[in-house]
Amino acid sequence: GAVVSQHPSRVICKSGTSVKIECRSLDFQATTMFWYRQFPKQSLMLMATSNEGSKATYEQGVEKDKFLINHASLTLSTLTVTSAHPEDSSFYICSATGSPYGYTFGSGTRLTVV
Amino acid sequence: AQKITQTQPGMFVQEKEAVTLDCTYDTSDPSYGLFWYKQPSSGEMIFLIYQGSYDQQNATEGRYSLNFQKARKSANLVISASQLGDSAMYFCAMREGNPYSSASKIIFGSGTRLSIRP
Repeated sequence: GAVVSQHPSRVICKSGTSVKIECRSLDFQATTMFWYRQFPKQSLMLMATSNEGSKATYEQGVEKDKFLINHASLTLSTLTVTSAHPEDSSFYICSATGSPYGYTFGSGTRLTVV
Repeated sequence: AQKITQTQPGMFVQEKEAVTLDCTYDTSDPSYGLFWYKQPSSGEMIFLIYQGSYDQQNATEGRYSLNFQKARKSANLVISASQLGDSAMYFCAMREGNPYSSASKIIFGSGTRLSIRP
């Protein structure tokens, strides 16, 4: 089946620093990547949608300058949380389309900002 | 705007019993797709079952079946013969547009935490 590798799985960073999360499709071309954020005991909230080679489309209320998304190739999309603050601590998960299996999720990244 | 509602925040079920997780949806698009995902404590999203709005029959995948009632806009998940490993969060999700296209975003309901008692 289709696999999306997401790294890192866990990251702890200091407030004010930036963190990059990578999602890589291993055996298919990810034409579209969705980025979600999930706070504890809550649902997945869509942050943005990105298509290879074009700018990401952000959902209402998501700061595009804070959450930088790059989808430079058909196999790699990155989410950079810039100037992270404790309130950015969350579970971030990507979902790629382009495989015959429909949506393929990464394993998620648990970000803790201290 | 599309909307997914899961009214059961938590459920406890005895092992080997069947369980139904409720999901209702709202959309004005005649073409849509409905999903159920399982999320164990590790956080990964495990695809369980899919139903397209034009599918004539209810979807089934092993112990999972989807009770699709289009007129009532409900898409309940039925798990037969529950197992201890079924304990997890379960999310209903919907995609508008061509139900066989994965280019559209999917949105999730609030989830149901299912706990299986031995």
